[in-house]
Amino acid sequence: DAKTTQPNSMESNEEEPVHLPCNHSTISGTDYIHWYRQLPSQGPEYVIHGLTSNVNNRMASLAIAEDRKSSTLILHRATLRDAAVYYCILNSGNTPLVFGKGTRLSVIA
Amino acid sequence: EPEVTQTPSHQVTQMGQEVILRCVPISNHLYFYWYRQILGQKVEFLVSFYNNEISEKSEIFDDQFSVERPDGSNFTLKIRSTKLEDSAMYFCASSRRVLYGYTFGSGTRLTVV
Repeated sequence: DAKTTQPNSMESNEEEPVHLPCNHSTISGTDYIHWYRQLPSQGPEYVIHGLTSNVNNRMASLAIAEDRKSSTLILHRATLRDAAVYYCILNSGNTPLVFGKGTRLSVIA
Repeated sequence: EPEVTQTPSHQVTQMGQEVILRCVPISNHLYFYWYRQILGQKVEFLVSFYNNEISEKSEIFDDQFSVERPDGSNFTLKIRSTKLEDSAMYFCASSRRVLYGYTFGSGTRLTVV
């Protein structure tokens, strides 16, 4: 799987939007951009995924750059329950998901 | 919302003993996975399973490991002779199709003493 680069950690205030960046300059045409998160002491949880167009669901929005070399996961209003490690993963479906170190998001009340 | 169920939540075993970790994937899912996470480290892929056979496995998944889907609902991971370094959280996951989101279970914490 192509490599992604994420900041090690980020901090956000409660009830403010959070933009989590991910760089993937070597993305291939068939790679989807997946986001998962892992809350403390839990298994990873699917958040969102997309190919080219921006995507929205009840959890978050995914903004994908036009050249697809970067993407941003947007949490519209962070809550304390959103404190987790967020993983950006490229996957074309031919192989299982491979998790990196992700971004540890802290949310401050 | 459908869940992936893993049992037990915590297992302590002596080195050299066999353990079986159990998972009940979501009923209409076709792809099944085992991952593990050693404390403080990344989530690591172990094995994927589709159509009653292993589709891919990592270097970690050596001859000590095996998987089975014995009855069409359970999905098990067996470690034949546990080592101290097998101590980790083991997560089962399932997905309906390739490129669909994976649903993970809450994990089994395996402690080898």
